[in-house]
Amino acid sequence: ETGVTQTPRHLVMGMTNKKSLKCEQHLGHNAMYWYKQSAKKPLELMFVYNFKEQTENNSVPSRFSPECPNSSHLFLHLHTLQPEDSALYLCASSSSSGLITDTQYFGPGTRLTVL
Amino acid sequence: QKEVEQDPGPLSVPEGAIVSLNCTYSNSAFQYFMWYRQYSRKGPELLMYTYSSGNKEDGRFTAQVDKSSKYISLFIRDSQPSDSATYLCAMTHDMYSGGGADGLTFGKGTHLIIQP
Repeated sequence: ETGVTQTPRHLVMGMTNKKSLKCEQHLGHNAMYWYKQSAKKPLELMFVYNFKEQTENNSVPSRFSPECPNSSHLFLHLHTLQPEDSALYLCASSSSSGLITDTQYFGPGTRLTVL
Repeated sequence: QKEVEQDPGPLSVPEGAIVSLNCTYSNSAFQYFMWYRQYSRKGPELLMYTYSSGNKEDGRFTAQVDKSSKYISLFIRDSQPSDSATYLCAMTHDMYSGGGADGLTFGKGTHLIIQP
């Protein structure tokens, strides 16, 4: 399989549940990202990992916990979410988190609904 | 005032028409400007990237930046039904901000529909 894959594609969870989103890239990239895309709002960068090290946390609430065990895999652990956290969560990767010309390749996203 | 303004649409045009998609921004420090295309149920994909003011052409697509007006445009010539998607503009002031401290500032996206 090529590119950036995300599982699950759809997730419905209650506010007390714990779930995890998974992202995998097959592009040999060193940087991985989590974005949140809400209806009628701009795409928001959440976390950046470069060579497995977290280099950015954009003031994301602690109920979102990222994990990057290696350069190919990225997880987003979810705990006690709120209904306003319902959104499309996109994973992306790039060769590094350096130059702007390092194109980010996005996965298809996980559509999350919090009840 | 939001940093990047983009009309969400939908913008519906007949096949073959010239499409103009636009974003305005308030941060005069922005120097790098990108357009992404996002099909339904897919992640965004980078279409074009430009630096500072001027035009850049790639096939049927032309990106235009007017820094004096803080206004960027994407033109699509000979539009096709396969161009139907949401188009996101994004920008940053730092060439090293691909994913760094400031990252990219995105518009909300314009939903484009090309009617056959």
